[in-house]
Amino acid sequence: SQQGEEDPQALSIQEGENATMNCSYKTSINNLQWYRQNSGRGLVHLILIRSNEREKHSGRLRVTLDTSKKSSSLLITASRAADTASYFCAYPNRDDKIIFGKGTRLHILP
Amino acid sequence: GAVVSQHPSWVICKSGTSVKIECRSLDFQATTMFWYRQFPKQSLMLMATSNEGSKATYEQGVEKDKFLINHASLTLSTLTVTSAHPEDSSFYICSAIDPWTNSYEQYFGPGTRLTVT
Repeated sequence: SQQGEEDPQALSIQEGENATMNCSYKTSINNLQWYRQNSGRGLVHLILIRSNEREKHSGRLRVTLDTSKKSSSLLITASRAADTASYFCAYPNRDDKIIFGKGTRLHILP
Repeated sequence: GAVVSQHPSWVICKSGTSVKIECRSLDFQATTMFWYRQFPKQSLMLMATSNEGSKATYEQGVEKDKFLINHASLTLSTLTVTSAHPEDSSFYICSAIDPWTNSYEQYFGPGTRLTVT
């Protein structure tokens, strides 16, 4: 399967703490994206990082990409209740079709 | 950013009937759209790539005769689930890429929840 792996599968943290999610993939890629999905809803695009970038920031989000290890991480700082959602990494496969990782279910505890 | 809509947002149908789901790019023309399926608490799985003016390409394991895709215009792709069965109950999401932007970003529709009784 070309589907990427994400860990952890589920994560519960206290509000205000930082949350880190990891994504590993198998093929060479030219970009990797992270999405958020609230329960039963559509996807929200969070951030895209290109293969020539190592780190990217957007507000409380920080994404890293290590192409030598074929892995990426998403860090959410100072988490809020509204951050409770599922987070997916996504990247193009050999046919340039976007493949999604298995996702991390993040639960922010009040 | 670009907007993709889906209709309906949810549908309930009886086993054996067919259901059509529409995916529209509202402010850009999309030569290629993608259809994904998502079962509860699982990730999105790519079903097929919809190409304007030509046949869709299906991923391995997806029955093309059951999931009919039509991409008749640059702003509309439809997915018809034929002879639906309860196991087809799922969340169906489409996406599109704006070919005129120098971006890899896919724009996703809000999804359609199909329940087959």
